[in-house]
Amino acid sequence: TQLLEQSPQFLSIQEGENLTVYCNSSSVFSSLQWYRQEPGEGPVLLVTVVTGGEVKKLKRLTFQFGDARKDSSLHITAAQPGDTGLYLCAAPYSSASKIIFGSGTRLSIRP
Amino acid sequence: ETGVTQTPRHLVMGMTNKKSLKCEQHLGHNAMYWYKQSAKKPLELMFVYSLEERVENNSVPSRFSPECPNSSHLFLHLHTLQPEDSALYLCASSQDLLDRGLLGNEKLFFGSGTQLSVL
Repeated sequence: TQLLEQSPQFLSIQEGENLTVYCNSSSVFSSLQWYRQEPGEGPVLLVTVVTGGEVKKLKRLTFQFGDARKDSSLHITAAQPGDTGLYLCAAPYSSASKIIFGSGTRLSIRP
Repeated sequence: ETGVTQTPRHLVMGMTNKKSLKCEQHLGHNAMYWYKQSAKKPLELMFVYSLEERVENNSVPSRFSPECPNSSHLFLHLHTLQPEDSALYLCASSQDLLDRGLLGNEKLFFGSGTQLSVL
């Protein structure tokens, strides 16, 4: 059983389109992070959200933490080929040192 | 440059070989981690070290043996691996052990990984 479910698993869209990917759980988390991983590299942190209902913007990326702190979404406006990558959500779980990850959404932007 | 360097980038080994993965962080962090990333599963935490002491071991088979000689270096010694151990092995570091809540300042810095193939 996966604690963090991400959807869709794969998404291929045309440059310039908008998209939203989701991270859902039945558990409540104190905070949640989004990472992006490009081919051949490790994940890189994009944002941390800590308050239920919080919305953070990073240029064309908008992140939202659900009111109940069980889910999060990432919306990309006017997608560009440089947005291609694996988007991972992550949250602290159980022990002080454990961060769990979702299985990711693999995004491909066609020129 | 993320400040976390992993070598080798690629490794092919037989099931009877012994090899080691190396990770070095140049960020002055106190905590280091090994994660496994395979095609069919999400990132799995394997080991956590804080100030050179192991603080987490997630039921990892004994054919994986970590070593942390100092706060800047982390090794993963491999022996008698199985084909299902083929995966991307990622090293990460953080300033300190991540608290129960991520308060915005804590984050993981990942290396580029070692892509391991076991034949």
